[in-house]
Amino acid sequence: EVQLLESGGGLVQPGGSLRLSCAVSGFTFNNYAMSWVRQAPGKGLEWVSGLSASAGSADYADSVKGRFTISRDNSRNTLYLQMTSLRAEDTAVYYCVKNLGPYGSIQGDYFDYWGQGTLVTVSS
Amino acid sequence: DIQMTQSPSSLSASVGDRVTISCRASQNIEIFLNWYQQTPGFAPKLLISSASNLQGGVPSRFSGNGSGTDFTLTISPLQPEDLAIYYCQQTFLVPMYIFGQGTRLEIK
Repeated sequence: EVQLLESGGGLVQPGGSLRLSCAVSGFTFNNYAMSWVRQAPGKGLEWVSGLSASAGSADYADSVKGRFTISRDNSRNTLYLQMTSLRAEDTAVYYCVKNLGPYGSIQGDYFDYWGQGTLVTVSS
Repeated sequence: DIQMTQSPSSLSASVGDRVTISCRASQNIEIFLNWYQQTPGFAPKLLISSASNLQGGVPSRFSGNGSGTDFTLTISPLQPEDLAIYYCQQTFLVPMYIFGQGTRLEIK
């Protein structure tokens, strides 16, 4: 059974930092690109960042570029999202998602497995 | 950037009805369009990829159609458990995985 379990969310002040983790099981982690998608309270879905299976290629939404860093530890089957310079508008549930194949940024890609999400609240 | 516009934003239908949700792209995205279902309190779930490919385990009452700029998700017959928000997503212009704003489906 495929499982993606996010952790690390919480309350942080504006300008602060937080690191999210996503522990994966049920598939060969190092064969697949992974991504983060967020959902602000009562709002729609926004892709945040993606990372290829080898960690050789990372992409970011313009809204987080320069502030967030995606990484992975294939020996620990874990995906990370380091978030710095957090803003109120970063408040959201952050979902860890599995991509179709090893390379992100391919036409026809899709997110076939999602974690349950972890809530990040940026507020003073 | 590609804009994805769903219509309607919300709708209410009865069990047994045929429901159609539309998604329009601001430019040609060929068939690179996915549909997701988010039931209340849960993470989104992939229903359909590449405009019309039903994912394993998804009931056959769900179907997708379209190409270019205009796409539809059809549910027929509607079941009570289909209460959800439905999102389309383009994967033509990557890595900007743009989602539509969502369509909220209520059951009368």
